[in-house]
Amino acid sequence: GESVGLHLPTLSVQEGDNSIINCAYSNSASDYFIWYKQESGKGPQFIIDIRSNMDKRQGQRVTVLLNKTVKHLSLQIAATQPGDSAVYFCAENGRGSGNTGKLIFGQGTTLQVKP
Amino acid sequence: NAGVTQTPKFRILKIGQSMTLQCTQDMNHNYMYWYRQDPGMGLKLIYYSVGAGITDKGEVPNGYNVSRSTTEDFPLRLELAAPSQTSVYFCASSPVAGTNYGYTFGSGTRLTVV
Repeated sequence: GESVGLHLPTLSVQEGDNSIINCAYSNSASDYFIWYKQESGKGPQFIIDIRSNMDKRQGQRVTVLLNKTVKHLSLQIAATQPGDSAVYFCAENGRGSGNTGKLIFGQGTTLQVKP
Repeated sequence: NAGVTQTPKFRILKIGQSMTLQCTQDMNHNYMYWYRQDPGMGLKLIYYSVGAGITDKGEVPNGYNVSRSTTEDFPLRLELAAPSQTSVYFCASSPVAGTNYGYTFGSGTRLTVV
């Protein structure tokens, strides 16, 4: 069945270092991928997205890489700050989402930033 | 512009009780969704709506019902609460399907069934 999974449940990094959060997806029909950040007690917040016709997209301090050959997605955060501490989810639009906008979410990776 | 508003924020229910989780958005979004998030897990889709009067099941609809009488409101109904429904519930909305640009989540309702 369809699944979106993250390689590591928890990632601990030093403040100022770069962070890389990985995600594997299984649905080759997915053509849209999103990273969300969820802080404690809050709903997920959109970080960055990428379409399957791209392999890289950059935002402010964040970069998403898409490798369709191995169905792998990663989120890179430059110069990680304490405010980046949160759970990060990848999501894909999956097979047959059509015009519904439905998403399939991974389990999440907790990013801990050490001062 | 409040975005997506969910009420209540917390609730404890006894087994067999019923309740409605409220969700309203003021962005005139056509697409609305209910997800549940179990501890340490990702979000799973319960129900969704592509417009007023139109609803459909998601991945985990059993034990829930929804209605969409207006563009703004998308309440989720639990008829006979069970411990398996203990979870955090998120409502979300989007102006455009096919992309999730502008997919906005509410702050969640934490439900415990005892």
